[in-house]
Amino acid sequence: QQQVKQSPQSLIVQKGGISIINCAYENTAFDYFPWYQQFPGKGPALLIAIRPDVSEKKEGRFTISFNKSAKQFSLHIMDSQPGDSATYFCAARLPYSGGGADGLTFGKGTHLIIQP
Amino acid sequence: DAGVIQSPRHEVTEMGQEVTLRCKPISGHNSLFWYRQTMMRGLELLIYFNNNVPIDDSGMPEDRFSAKMPNASFSTLKIQPSEPRDSAVYFCASSFVADTGELFFGEGSRLTVL
Repeated sequence: QQQVKQSPQSLIVQKGGISIINCAYENTAFDYFPWYQQFPGKGPALLIAIRPDVSEKKEGRFTISFNKSAKQFSLHIMDSQPGDSATYFCAARLPYSGGGADGLTFGKGTHLIIQP
Repeated sequence: DAGVIQSPRHEVTEMGQEVTLRCKPISGHNSLFWYRQTMMRGLELLIYFNNNVPIDDSGMPEDRFSAKMPNASFSTLKIQPSEPRDSAVYFCASSFVADTGELFFGEGSRLTVL
């Protein structure tokens, strides 16, 4: 079964701190792991993504750490800011079967609040 | 450039009524997805299309749900008859570049069934 389990469900971090959100997956055939950010009243938007051939990817204050053997990956937000307050979703996707994209399987989301 | 456009943004209807949600994907994108978001179940993939052809509708919860994509620039998700448990935010997303897999989401249609 295609599942992505995300934790914690909610997270409160002080401004300037490090926010860490974790995800675990079951299907070893997944080959693409993105993180999406969603603000209230908006649709999710791609934040950062990684493929399983690398262990870490960094873009600005956002870093994905990937542990293939443990089937886990995590999002780290350094120097967290109030503007980072949003819901974050991890996701996973199977390799393309040809002819187009397959859908992403999403975790249930983490509601992140950065306190000033 | 215009993003994915969904309408209506909000819909309140009574149980038993037909609901039609609409989506205009980003021009040039060849894959379109319908997702449903609830607090309990998160984001669920309902159905997706490649080049206007439905590929996987295994996520459609019941026969009351149907989706069409008559052309590359338009898709509908229909619920008939609607039930209170269908209340959710329905998102449409589109993509093109296969190797990045980035989905571009619309702002969603919030459905409330009384």
